[in-house]
Amino acid sequence: DVKVTQSSRYLVKRTGEKVFLECVQDMDHENMFWYRQDPGLGLRLIYFSYDVKMKEKGDIPEGYSVSREKKERFSLILESASTNQTSMYLCASSLGLAGQQETQYFGPGTRLLVL
Amino acid sequence: GNSVTQMEGPVTLSEEAFLTINCTYTATGYPSLFWYVQYPGEGLQLLLKATKADDKGSNKGFEATYRKETTSFHLEKGSVQVSDSAVYFCARSTSGTYKYIFGTGTRLKVLA
Repeated sequence: DVKVTQSSRYLVKRTGEKVFLECVQDMDHENMFWYRQDPGLGLRLIYFSYDVKMKEKGDIPEGYSVSREKKERFSLILESASTNQTSMYLCASSLGLAGQQETQYFGPGTRLLVL
Repeated sequence: GNSVTQMEGPVTLSEEAFLTINCTYTATGYPSLFWYVQYPGEGLQLLLKATKADDKGSNKGFEATYRKETTSFHLEKGSVQVSDSAVYFCARSTSGTYKYIFGTGTRLKVLA
């Protein structure tokens, strides 16, 4: 079974703090994703990575950056947290981009509260 | 444009009732279609998928058929249980791209 883990289930941070959210997958997947989930808005893609050190912006990248130094690990960074970044953050991974390989597998999520 | 539209929730049913959650999509090309389920406090789990027209995805008593003519992928279950209470997300992808488009989710409450 694919296993995607996230470093924290809950985080509380102060406005202006630098925040790191870590995600690790154990199935040698090429692609990794960061989403945020907000009520009434569903899931929105923040960033995507298709290989080590490679990244692409998603639909809402502003205020975020990412790092992928190793294939299994994908980090989301909030350089200076703001209250409007309070949300549930979900990491996902997939093997490839077509057919059976495109299925995305999700981690348990990190609920971030910025005060 | 590309979008996924789900019925608004919450949907409240009694145990053993029949469930339908509607999902329609717009897309260019030939997307794969997915249903994910999110139990309270957890991430999303893949429930079922279909990759081409007329495919039926099924899992845990849930079914959905890829209907190209009506651009729909409605989720059904013949007899729901309290343990099915969760939020259900419909999603689509397009082969060759990384993007999924998710619906806004439908909360299901099943009462004993």
